[in-house]
Amino acid sequence: NAGVTQTPKFRILKIGQSMTLQCTQDMNHNYMYWYRQDPGMGLKLIYYSVGAGITDKGEVPNGYNVSRSTTEDFPLRLELAAPSQTSVYFCASTPNQETQYFGPGTRLLVL
Amino acid sequence: AQTVTQSQPEMSVQEAETVTLSCTYDTSESNYYLFWYKQPPSRQMILVIRQEAYKQQNATENRFSVNFQKAAKSFSLKISDSQLGDTAMYFCVLLQGAQKLVFGQGTRLTINP
Repeated sequence: NAGVTQTPKFRILKIGQSMTLQCTQDMNHNYMYWYRQDPGMGLKLIYYSVGAGITDKGEVPNGYNVSRSTTEDFPLRLELAAPSQTSVYFCASTPNQETQYFGPGTRLLVL
Repeated sequence: AQTVTQSQPEMSVQEAETVTLSCTYDTSESNYYLFWYKQPPSRQMILVIRQEAYKQQNATENRFSVNFQKAAKSFSLKISDSQLGDTAMYFCVLLQGAQKLVFGQGTRLTINP
């Protein structure tokens, strides 16, 4: 199993551009999550999904959108990128609402 | 509101020493989980140890153990025989329900040779 994979590893965006951060897990986990980590801080929940077709907002959802068309994939969409969205983004999944398994992260810089 | 507080922003010890990282939390729930995650310079989030709130016995994973004091809402991590590879940022994390992971601010631990 590859676990949780994220692409790209690093991206530079200009203000106002859009992009999609990809997240895939091959463990057949129902629960998937997107977090952001600002410098020197812990992670904050952006969006989560409890299964295909079901998504909900977390603590900091503004400026982001998600979809969950399959169990494996949970992409995060940034529309109209802003400097405040410069962060490291982590995707995570879990089978049982307990221990979450994290991807390697995507570092995003908005200039 | 659920909060997690790590009062030690940075710690530094010599290799082979024992070190304890502190964590306190606040929750109104009776059933929850607590975790310690480490984040090395690679930025990967790695699970170190977990504790279920309904279990009185403290969790242990090799050199890592916790002191879970439910009444005091305290959850400290002890690392025995510390190794250079233990150098990382350590996060105390509270889990409630299906989606709510609450992270502490982190403790940056440095193991010196």
